[in-house]
Amino acid sequence: NAGVTQTPKFQVLKTGQSMTLQCAQDMNHNSMYWYRQDPGMGLRLIYYSASEGTTDKGEVPNGYNVSRLNKREFSLRLESAAPSQTSVYFCASSGQGSANEKLFFGSGTQLSVL
Amino acid sequence: RKEVEQDPGPFNVPEGATVAFNCTYSNSASQSFFWYRQDCRKEPKLLMSVYSSGNEDGRFTAQLNRASQYISLLIRDSKLSDSATYLCVVTIPGGSYIPTFGRGTSLIVHP
Repeated sequence: NAGVTQTPKFQVLKTGQSMTLQCAQDMNHNSMYWYRQDPGMGLRLIYYSASEGTTDKGEVPNGYNVSRLNKREFSLRLESAAPSQTSVYFCASSGQGSANEKLFFGSGTQLSVL
Repeated sequence: RKEVEQDPGPFNVPEGATVAFNCTYSNSASQSFFWYRQDCRKEPKLLMSVYSSGNEDGRFTAQLNRASQYISLLIRDSKLSDSATYLCVVTIPGGSYIPTFGRGTSLIVHP
């Protein structure tokens, strides 16, 4: 029972490099989210996808792009990484994206940009 | 002003103590309210939803005050294993319902 699978768990990049964080869920959820968490901060929403084929910006979208490849997968891309993007990234999903649904999280990606 | 505000703490309490956390939210149209628990460097996990009438789950009690726009979490008889960060989450309406997190409140329970 995998739930939300997020890869990689750790990544070190040099400034200017690009990478894609992968996220997949096997719960047939419609809504998927990407958050980042910095020390002493809560989770801040980068992008979300309310359903397959749609994506929307969250609170901190600059420097990121996303793709909702299909219902299962929602990837986050850093085109030109910057030190300010050093953070822990969490992918999450919820069933219908309605107000009272719980979030299911992946185990996170620790990203360092040097 | 941040949409969801929490006192970051840390709250440092002895085992057996009762501790309470508050969280305020700015959007009066907020729909749903939750408390999540996050252990160090791990993903958040749902602790409990917060209902208008208040609700209890064992040693944990959650309250919602819509008029004053705050929610609370009360932990009775604290255990060492309760040490964690507690995240207040409010679902804010937009094109969809967006789960919005507070910064979290750190709790340290010591022997």
